Amino acid sequence: AQTVTQSQPEMSVQEAETVTLSCTYDTSESDYYLFWYKQPPSRQMILVIRQEAYKQQNATENRFSVNFQKAAKSFSLKISDSQLGDAAMYFCAYRSARWSSNTGKLIFGQGTTLQVKP
Amino acid sequence: ETGVTQSPTHLIKTRGQQVTLRCSSQSGHNTVSWYQQALGQGPQFIFQYYREEENGRGNFPPRFSGLQFPNYSSELNVNALELDDSALYLCASTYQGSGANVLTFGAGSRLTVL
Repeated sequence: AQTVTQSQPEMSVQEAETVTLSCTYDTSESDYYLFWYKQPPSRQMILVIRQEAYKQQNATENRFSVNFQKAAKSFSLKISDSQLGDAAMYFCAYRSARWSSNTGKLIFGQGTTLQVKP
Repeated sequence: ETGVTQSPTHLIKTRGQQVTLRCSSQSGHNTVSWYQQALGQGPQFIFQYYREEENGRGNFPPRFSGLQFPNYSSELNVNALELDDSALYLCASTYQGSGANVLTFGAGSRLTVL
């Protein structure tokens, strides 16, 4: 069974600085997808960034980028130029590409609460 | 795009009762999945419906059941509520068949069981 681990329950960053959130996962599959979701106090999960395992190039979305290390099964999120609105709980998630029954099945980590200090 | 909406936003039930939570998926999405998120934890996959049939289930007992309707709405039903069922329940939808399809989540229904 696949697992996702986020070892940092809480992180804090100064506004305009850079922060990196860690995520490791365990799987025996070679084809899968990885995601970072943000959950603000409004509770709605918002997609931050996604990575296809078959792509070696790290995904980037504006101020958000990932460091995807497939051999090490590591998928960290870097937030540059942190803003007050980035404060939220961040979840790393894994999805198998193997079966259609996995389409809606994400395996989440425990989450990292990010505090942004003005 | 209309997004994913869930109702009710909050509700309180007592142990042993039954509850129905509702979700309206994004138009065109043929797959809906439900998650249970305990306080301070990551969401746990309950099950997935594709074209009105369950086709994937997590480690949840049969008293958790669901329905998906042709009009992009769906329900999560929980029978014989237990105290541990207190959680945020999230609905998410996507279109199956497009590769790295992304789940769109609703804001959830907060269930408290007393």
